[in-house]
Amino acid sequence: GAGVSQSPSNKVTEKGKDVELRCDPISGHTALYWYRQSLGQGLEFLIYFQGNSAPDKSGLPSDRFSAERTGGSVSTLTIQRTQQEDSAVYLCASSLEGTSGGMDTQYFGPGTRLTVL
Amino acid sequence: RKEVEQDPGPFNVPEGATVAFNCTYSNSASQSFFWYRQDCRKEPKLLMSVYSSGNEDGRFTAQLNRASQYISLLIRDSKLSDSATYLCVVNPYSSASKIIFGSGTRLSIRP
Repeated sequence: GAGVSQSPSNKVTEKGKDVELRCDPISGHTALYWYRQSLGQGLEFLIYFQGNSAPDKSGLPSDRFSAERTGGSVSTLTIQRTQQEDSAVYLCASSLEGTSGGMDTQYFGPGTRLTVL
Repeated sequence: RKEVEQDPGPFNVPEGATVAFNCTYSNSASQSFFWYRQDCRKEPKLLMSVYSSGNEDGRFTAQLNRASQYISLLIRDSKLSDSATYLCVVNPYSSASKIIFGSGTRLSIRP
């Protein structure tokens, strides 16, 4: 079946512009995560959606970052007034339930490589 | 101290060798542990979960040492295709949103 898809695969933008990154999780997966990964670094948790529950936004680095998940499926990560330090790969992952003590396997999308000039 | 720490490497070993690396975690109440593999410029993919009793999958063996708070990954008879970055993943709070990824250990297998 189809895996997690993300678009665009690459995004180059100018400092100060807003960007929107999209994630289509695996059908039937109720949990969705956004991470970012800077060059040579580990994954930094940004936000987590589980079903109809309020999202866990504790990882968002500033109020310029926001995310939505419409209809329990597609998610959009928005970065307003981008800064050069926002340059990174933004990875989306989904899992079946997101519960069970976090034992569910996360399936990652290919990521969006964001470059802020 | 970081919640999850890994030796960044790189580990450079010849094909056929056995290589092992560890990952330490700071929260003794951590419940679940995983190893993910990430190829260059690709997304992470689950390699294996780590069970309390240790588990093996072909050439790969994962172990958990709760007393010393580390997990390990052993790769036997390494192949060129094993070259990748191996990410240690720990869930310290039994909450799906708090999963922590280590920075990864880079492994390079040479012919």
